[in-house]
Amino acid sequence: DIVMTQSPDSLAVSLGERATINCKSSRSVLYSSNNKNYLTWYQQKPGQPPKLLIYWASTRESGVPDRISGSGSGTDFTLTISNLQAEDVAVYYCQQHFNVPFTFGQGTKLEIK
Amino acid sequence: EVQFLASGGDVVQPGGSLRLSCAASGFTFSSYAMSWVRQAPGKGLEWVSVISGSDGTTYYADSVKGRFTITRDNSKNTLFLHMNSLRAEDTAVYYCGTSIGDSCYSPVESWGQGTLVTVSS
Repeated sequence: DIVMTQSPDSLAVSLGERATINCKSSRSVLYSSNNKNYLTWYQQKPGQPPKLLIYWASTRESGVPDRISGSGSGTDFTLTISNLQAEDVAVYYCQQHFNVPFTFGQGTKLEIK
Repeated sequence: EVQFLASGGDVVQPGGSLRLSCAASGFTFSSYAMSWVRQAPGKGLEWVSVISGSDGTTYYADSVKGRFTITRDNSKNTLFLHMNSLRAEDTAVYYCGTSIGDSCYSPVESWGQGTLVTVSS
């Protein structure tokens, strides 16, 4: 199984500042045939289902503000939230869908400092 | 607007069975892969299973393989999860979701509200 490891487990950032969440996979999730990284980022708020933010590692889902971005390739990925807003308080998960089972990271809890 | 209505969650004894349903609307159901993930109380997300849109290809997490079966009825726009030999560790909120494409390897775009399964004597 591909193990997904997120860091940090939690972080507190001041409003208006930048939050950076890292996700590392135990094996590459880059599919050479189409040059796509099978890596997705979700946001989950308490009592709600996950919400898609980023897919193919860097493609922003429709409606997601452009201050939220994804980057990385192969085994190392980053979710960056710029100009942090109160509405960004949530748990963030990365997931690989390159190989079954489609494993999630353990989650990163983002709070306001 | 994509919508899901998940149902079937209940309290069941260890060793028991349950069938979860997920009625979908707002998109061409048969054209997209569908998935189940679960979340135990206070824990992170765990991928459970996926089924393709057209040819019915299925995959399962090792923790449920042989006990759970994912199916879909494209004529009724409904996804199912048949759960047998339930264990305490299956206790979780189960979410259904639709992918951005037909392939099981497509990212999941939208998740429903979830249904709670509690396995307890």
